[in-house]
Amino acid sequence: QQQVKQSPQSLIVQKGGISIINCAYENTAFDYFPWYQQFPGKGPALLIAIRPDVSEKKEGRFTISFNKSAKQFSLHIMDSQPGDSATYFCAASRAGTALIFGKGTTLSVSS
Amino acid sequence: EAQVTQNPRYLITVTGKKLTVTCSQNMNHEYMSWYRQDPGLGLRQIYYSMNVEVTDKGDVPEGYKVSRKEKRNFPLILESPSPNQTSLYFCASSPFGHGELFFGEGSRLTVL
Repeated sequence: QQQVKQSPQSLIVQKGGISIINCAYENTAFDYFPWYQQFPGKGPALLIAIRPDVSEKKEGRFTISFNKSAKQFSLHIMDSQPGDSATYFCAASRAGTALIFGKGTTLSVSS
Repeated sequence: EAQVTQNPRYLITVTGKKLTVTCSQNMNHEYMSWYRQDPGLGLRQIYYSMNVEVTDKGDVPEGYKVSRKEKRNFPLILESPSPNQTSLYFCASSPFGHGELFFGEGSRLTVL
């Protein structure tokens, strides 16, 4: 069964620290790996995405690291801020198929 | 403003009373989908539609129906709701199949 396993389930980070969320997948045919951010009372929104032809993608304080051989990818949030407190979902898909989401990580950044 | 609009946002109903959650997008997207979000289970796809009059089952379609008669609308129908359908529901759309999804703000449904 195609799955995306996400960890940790919850994370508490101090302001200014680095938040790291990890995901692992099984299907080597996956070719699109997005991260979604969800604030309370809102729908998820695309944060950053990567394709397997690169090992890292950075957008501001957010970086995706991708390890194709290990079938793992991770989200790093540098200089974490209280405004980053949200639920984060990783996901994966291949052409013509639906996104499969991880179960989510609730991040709390303490000030 | 580009958006996906769901209604109602909150609903409490009783077992067996048919209900419809509407979803409308103003971005001319081909693809639309419904998800349910439950604690510890993440986002699970219920149904999706690649285009008008084309719908298909997702991972958890039991107890739900959908229709896609117009490009902009994709209602979710619960013919006979049961308590295990108590959940937070999201409609989403995308311009090109299974790529970036744009989500609505969610509909919280409670079935007593």
